Amino acid sequence: RKEVEQDPGPFNVPEGATVAFNCTYSNSASQSFFWYRQDCRKEPKLLMSVYSSGNEDGRFTAQLNRASQYISLLIRDSKLSDSATYLCVVTASGGSYIPTFGRGTSLIVHP
Amino acid sequence: DAGITQSPRYKITETGRQVTLMCHQTWSHSYMFWYRQDLGHGLRLIYYSAAADITDKGEVPDGYVVSRSKTENFPLTLESATRSQTSVYFCASSDGGGDGYTFGSGTRLTVV
Repeated sequence: RKEVEQDPGPFNVPEGATVAFNCTYSNSASQSFFWYRQDCRKEPKLLMSVYSSGNEDGRFTAQLNRASQYISLLIRDSKLSDSATYLCVVTASGGSYIPTFGRGTSLIVHP
Repeated sequence: DAGITQSPRYKITETGRQVTLMCHQTWSHSYMFWYRQDLGHGLRLIYYSAAADITDKGEVPDGYVVSRSKTENFPLTLESATRSQTSVYFCASSDGGGDGYTFGSGTRLTVV
């Protein structure tokens, strides 16, 4: 089983739609969680951190479920500019702080 | 300029040549990382460093060498480039806190 797994998609949705991605991780001792966005082979950029209580940033909501070992990203009112690849990132505990990246989920928002 | 910068942005080199990719960050972040990204593989960790003079292998270290004599610099050297090392290389840094990892804009390396 891969350490961090994501559905590669693509998720093809119309503008205004709500779309959700999940990411599962295998290490129950994982400590930090993030969602990154990557556009067309440019560098990944931090979208948001994921906190145990869940957190929201505008149209984006991230959730963490430690019991089931997954994190989720919800995008409401999708925009054309949301088209990108979304990477799930998990960091193990123990001080090494080495991130493990999922392979990403591709989102295409069409008019 | 503050941030993390990689150089060169693009590089074409011949098989067997040694090539060094540079990474410089201005935040004094303790952690620095080198990744390669290829279609179908996602980001794969080559080497990482937790502090100056402390480096360790990642998932795909063969054929690469790193050094970190200063906190702000983390060069990656391909000792004898091979075509399989044609890739996009990203450097990243982090302070080990909750702000995640910040990436450079990447080096697109082609080995011919």
